Amino acid sequence: AQKVTQAQTEISVVEKEDVTLDCVYETRDTTYYLFWYKQPPSGELVFLIRRNSFDEQNEISGRYSWNFQKSTSSFNFTITASQVVDSAVYFCALILRSSYKLIFGSGTRLLVRP
Amino acid sequence: DVKVTQSSRYLVKRTGEKVFLECVQDMDHENMFWYRQDPGLGLRLIYFSYDVKMKEKGDIPEGYSVSREKKERFSLILESASTNQTSMYLCASSPRTGAEETQYFGPGTRLLVL
Repeated sequence: AQKVTQAQTEISVVEKEDVTLDCVYETRDTTYYLFWYKQPPSGELVFLIRRNSFDEQNEISGRYSWNFQKSTSSFNFTITASQVVDSAVYFCALILRSSYKLIFGSGTRLLVRP
Repeated sequence: DVKVTQSSRYLVKRTGEKVFLECVQDMDHENMFWYRQDPGLGLRLIYFSYDVKMKEKGDIPEGYSVSREKKERFSLILESASTNQTSMYLCASSPRTGAEETQYFGPGTRLLVL
């Protein structure tokens, strides 16, 4: 069975601190895709990134970076120099090539205090 | 930019009422999805559709039905609303039929059933 675990329920940091959100996944399939979404208080899920299982290159986009490690089945997300606007719930998700269903983690609530 | 819209941000209905939640996407996507989001349970797939008039049950279809008469529109129907259907409902769409395609979400509808 497939599973996504976000062990950190809630993280609180002060603005300008770096913060890493952990994501661990389980699957026996060799082809799969991983996603991060952001859900601000308004409720909409905003797509941040997608990686496929064959691409372990880390990615950086502005203050955001992602570290994908198949050896540990992890896909962690780091925000550098956090800002108040980063406050949201962040979801990691997995989808198999053979399936249509996104499997979400339970989410990590990030609070960035001024 | 992908745009997924939902007919209402907030709805209040009475037990036993028939409720329609509408979702429209403007990117000619083949796939459309309905999820519900509940605290502690995360996001769960109710139904999805991969083409006009085609639908598949997700994890929790009981008490719901769907309709897709046009490619851009996917409706979720609560035949007889119950209090345990109070939730946040999120619609999503994705292009083609490949699982690797990113799902883009609408702003959500917060439904309260009294």
